[in-house]
Amino acid sequence: EVQLVESGGGLVQPGGSLRLSCAASGFTFSDHYMDWVRQAPGKGLEWVGRIRNRANLYTTQYAASVTGRFTISRDDSSNSLYLHMNSLKTEDTAVYYCSRGYNFGYPLFDYWGQGTLVTVSS
Amino acid sequence: DIQMTQSPSSLSASVGDRVTITCQASQDITNYLNWYQQKAGEAPKLLIYDVSNFGTGVPSRFSGSGSGTDFTFTISSLQPEDVATYYCQQYDSVPITFGQGTRLHIK
Repeated sequence: EVQLVESGGGLVQPGGSLRLSCAASGFTFSDHYMDWVRQAPGKGLEWVGRIRNRANLYTTQYAASVTGRFTISRDDSSNSLYLHMNSLKTEDTAVYYCSRGYNFGYPLFDYWGQGTLVTVSS
Repeated sequence: DIQMTQSPSSLSASVGDRVTITCQASQDITNYLNWYQQKAGEAPKLLIYDVSNFGTGVPSRFSGSGSGTDFTFTISSLQPEDVATYYCQQYDSVPITFGQGTRLHIK
């Protein structure tokens, strides 16, 4: 059974940093791209960024709203995905979801974690 | 960026009704379109991928169609458990973008 479990959310002051984790199981993690998507309270879904797999050199892409502040990394040896968030702003307050991304023959975004809430407030 | 214009933003229908949601892309996205269902307090669930393919375990009352820039999501016979917000999403190009959502209520 595919499972994605996020952790690391919490309350942080503006300008602060936080690292989110996503533990994956039930599939060959190293074969898939992985994505982060967020949802501000009462709002819609916003794609944050993605990290490709080893075959694609672990390259990353980001939404303009987080470029230069957020970094996505992964550890295939432990089936873990990370979102490093710096210079946090109040508008980064959201539930952050990890989602299974591209791999040939599989639908994108077919599995999502339960989400972890990040609150940026003084 | 590709803009996804989803309509309506809110919809109220009766059990058994046929429900249709539309999504228009600002440019051609071929067939790179998904539909999601999000119930209150839950993560999104993939219902339809690549315009018209069923996600895992998705009931056949849900369907999708379209191509290019115009897409449609249909529930053939609305059930009480279908109360949720529905989103379209394009993944033709980065940044990946979502429609603003359609909140579906039961009359």
